[in-house]
Amino acid sequence: DAGVIQSPRHEVTEMGQEVTLRCKPISGHNSLFWYRQTMMRGLELLIYFNNNVPIDDSGMPEDRFSAKMPNASFSTLKIQPSEPRDSAVYFCASTRASNTGELFFGEGSRLTVL
Amino acid sequence: GDSVTQMEGPVTLSEEAFLTINCTYTATGYPSLFWYVQYPGEGLQLLLKATKADDKGSNKGFEATYRKETTSFHLEKGSVQVSDSAVYFCALAPTGGYNKLIFGAGTRLAVHP
Repeated sequence: DAGVIQSPRHEVTEMGQEVTLRCKPISGHNSLFWYRQTMMRGLELLIYFNNNVPIDDSGMPEDRFSAKMPNASFSTLKIQPSEPRDSAVYFCASTRASNTGELFFGEGSRLTVL
Repeated sequence: GDSVTQMEGPVTLSEEAFLTINCTYTATGYPSLFWYVQYPGEGLQLLLKATKADDKGSNKGFEATYRKETTSFHLEKGSVQVSDSAVYFCALAPTGGYNKLIFGAGTRLAVHP
């Protein structure tokens, strides 16, 4: 079975540009999570969805960040405008809501903002 | 609030050495506890879990026991291999937390031949 698929794997952009990261969760999973990983702050939960509905977005750093999940098989994380401090690896993870704590992670999208 | 503290790395060992990575937690209620592993260039993957006190999770030779009295979930392996080199994350799922995992900072393990 295919795992969580993220794109792009690598993105280099200039400050001020819009960045869109994409995620396709595992089929049948109804919970989706966006995490950010940096050396300084470790793994931070940005937002998570249950049945396509955002449940908790308290980790979204500021209004420049937005996330959507228009259907069960697709989610986006958008940063507009991007800043150098947004440089990080962004992970998407999915699971069934009944699975306590077993998240399935994608390979991540490494973002570099110059 | 709930939190996870794990030992700082890097941990450097020779092949076949014994491994311990310490993890302690702060949480109300009865959280579930996890160890995830991240190999270079990859996402995290679940290594083992324990859902109640005194449970022992195990996988691939790794073990960890849920100790409520010491609020700990230390990871151990009797004989590490070079292929175990990775970053290890301790995590908890709060009671009723809907899979909203709280991760520790991660501990990098390097195993040399």
